[in-house]
Amino acid sequence: GENVEQHPSTLSVQEGDSAVIKCTYSDSASNYFPWYKQELGKGPQLIIDIRSNVGEKKDQRIAVTLNKTAKHFSLHITETQPEDSAVYFCAASEYSSASKIIFGSGTRLSIRP
Amino acid sequence: SQTIHQWPATLVQPVGSPLSLECTVEGTSNPNLYWYRQAAGRGLQLLFYSVGIGQISSEVPQNLSASRPQDRQFILSSKKLLLSDSGFYLCAWSNGRDTGELFFGEGSRLTVL
Repeated sequence: GENVEQHPSTLSVQEGDSAVIKCTYSDSASNYFPWYKQELGKGPQLIIDIRSNVGEKKDQRIAVTLNKTAKHFSLHITETQPEDSAVYFCAASEYSSASKIIFGSGTRLSIRP
Repeated sequence: SQTIHQWPATLVQPVGSPLSLECTVEGTSNPNLYWYRQAAGRGLQLLFYSVGIGQISSEVPQNLSASRPQDRQFILSSKKLLLSDSGFYLCAWSNGRDTGELFFGEGSRLTVL
């Protein structure tokens, strides 16, 4: 089955700098890669996703890149702000099926003022 | 708009006692429903999912069970809690077409003593 590895487990960046979180997956059949953000005391929320037919997707300050050959994908946050502090999860699944989504172990991102 | 409610938010139970966590979804019909457990450094582990009333799929063998007595109600139970059942439990829903996005509740933190 699918296995998703996520690095780093913790990340601290200066406000205004960029943050990058990286994930690798094992199943070449996976074709849907969502990213979830979990703020303190809340459930995770989808912030961006990418499908295997594109290599990059942007939404304001966040972007995700996908390298299908190497089986890795990354989340990039530019111009970080205090409200970006949270735990971020990458995930992978086949056919966009929510019941088959496999999550990474999470990255705790802290933004230093 | 759709909302998901999960309770209780926190629970402290002795070993061997029963458990009941409840989740309800409003504003949608025929949702797929999910129970996840979140352990520190281990991401989100899918425990159960349901595509309809009375239809439960279990992803991992464990001391827990799930039931779906109504279309928008999902219950996580145990007859006798173990110390290892401690954790953060998240209920989620996705649309019936299973197109990927999960909508999470705010979670229930269970401590078994």
